[in-house]
Amino acid sequence: RKEVEQDPGPFNVPEGATVAFNCTYSNSASQSFFWYRQDCRKEPKLLMSVYSSGNEDGRFTAQLNRASQYISLLIRDSKLSDSATYLCVVGSGDSWGKFQFGAGTQVVVTP
Amino acid sequence: GAGVSQSPSNKVTEKGKDVELRCDPISGHTALYWYRQSLGQGLEFLIYFQGNSAPDKSGLPSDRFSAERTGGSVSTLTIQRTQQEDSAVYLCASSIPGQFHEQYFGPGTRLTVT
Repeated sequence: RKEVEQDPGPFNVPEGATVAFNCTYSNSASQSFFWYRQDCRKEPKLLMSVYSSGNEDGRFTAQLNRASQYISLLIRDSKLSDSATYLCVVGSGDSWGKFQFGAGTQVVVTP
Repeated sequence: GAGVSQSPSNKVTEKGKDVELRCDPISGHTALYWYRQSLGQGLEFLIYFQGNSAPDKSGLPSDRFSAERTGGSVSTLTIQRTQQEDSAVYLCASSIPGQFHEQYFGPGTRLTVT
């Protein structure tokens, strides 16, 4: 079983709609959680951290559910520029510098 | 300012040859990471450095893979006796102390083993 699992998608979303997707992790000792964004054939870039209490950054909302070991990302009022692959990243509980990346969820926003 | 740079951007090599990939992190970033990404797959952690030392080498796929970092700056990832399954994009990232999660990635080296 992979340490970090994501629905690969694609999630096809009309412009202006809301889309949400989850990521599950297997290591209950994991302490840190993040979402990265990767555009086609580009390098990943940090989108936002995920805090226990949940957090928002503009149209993006991230939540953590420790009991069920998943994190979620919700995108409101989707823009064409939101089309990308969203990578779930989990910091290992064993080694501070080690991060496990999920394979990504592809989001395609259509006009 | 300058971001993370990697060279070469593309490398085609024959099976059995050795290759060396280079990463130049952002100045002042003490942590440096190597990942690889195969087509349609997620990033696979290989190794990270804090300064010149590598506390966790557990991600290196085999003893054909090695990495070093000198002067707390440039790092090289060496793959000996390359195999076709080594074909992937090798990504390097760096981060500042205390912000290990905010990794700045380089453009990657696309390695193709024929």
